[in-house]
Amino acid sequence: IAGITQAPTSQILAAGRRMTLRCTQDMRHNAMYWYRQDLGLGLRLIHYSNTAGTTGKGEVPDGYSVSRANTDDFPLTLASAVPSQTSVYFCASSDSMSGPGEQFFGPGTRLTVL
Amino acid sequence: GQNIDQPTEMTATEGAIVQINCTYQTSGFNGLFWYQQHAGEAPTFLSYNVLDGLEEKGRFSSFLSRSKGYSYLLLKELQMKDSASYLCAVRDGDYKLSFGAGTTVTVRA
Repeated sequence: IAGITQAPTSQILAAGRRMTLRCTQDMRHNAMYWYRQDLGLGLRLIHYSNTAGTTGKGEVPDGYSVSRANTDDFPLTLASAVPSQTSVYFCASSDSMSGPGEQFFGPGTRLTVL
Repeated sequence: GQNIDQPTEMTATEGAIVQINCTYQTSGFNGLFWYQQHAGEAPTFLSYNVLDGLEEKGRFSSFLSRSKGYSYLLLKELQMKDSASYLCAVRDGDYKLSFGAGTTVTVRA
């Protein structure tokens, strides 16, 4: 693994189903983030974690949950998917303790809820 | 929260210069970032400003005025590969980023 990875790359999901998007980083970054990107709206923060064991709500958290059991992994769960959750989901990580603390993004997961 | 505005689209000719403006209203400020995003790809970090002034990085420069809530990204000697979306993002005191909707730059031959 080099950097930050996400799985799956894309998924088509029936409404009402449960889905977990996976995110793993090998940079030992303390902070991790989940965004959704929709046309015309830009990137919107769903949930974040400043360190393992802690999480926080972003701008659009409803319908999503996260956990941060260790430094490397930050899964995002849709408990019961709805069509409005159709989007491209990006995971990101940053070392907020040094330098500018820029965020590094994973390749994204394209999710379609029917 | 943050309110971040940037133009939706810009078009320029190869070899030219383009300036992308970003204005923001913030409840807390801890730095401004510019990211580049090619179609179908992830955003990648371009520049960071936390103090007023100009930061230069090769063909790309970024400027910040905190008192005016204003930044710009300057792209010089445009190349076809610079065709992409450019995202302005403001970081708050909790290290969370708020993004503008992005500016799509099209470089024409």
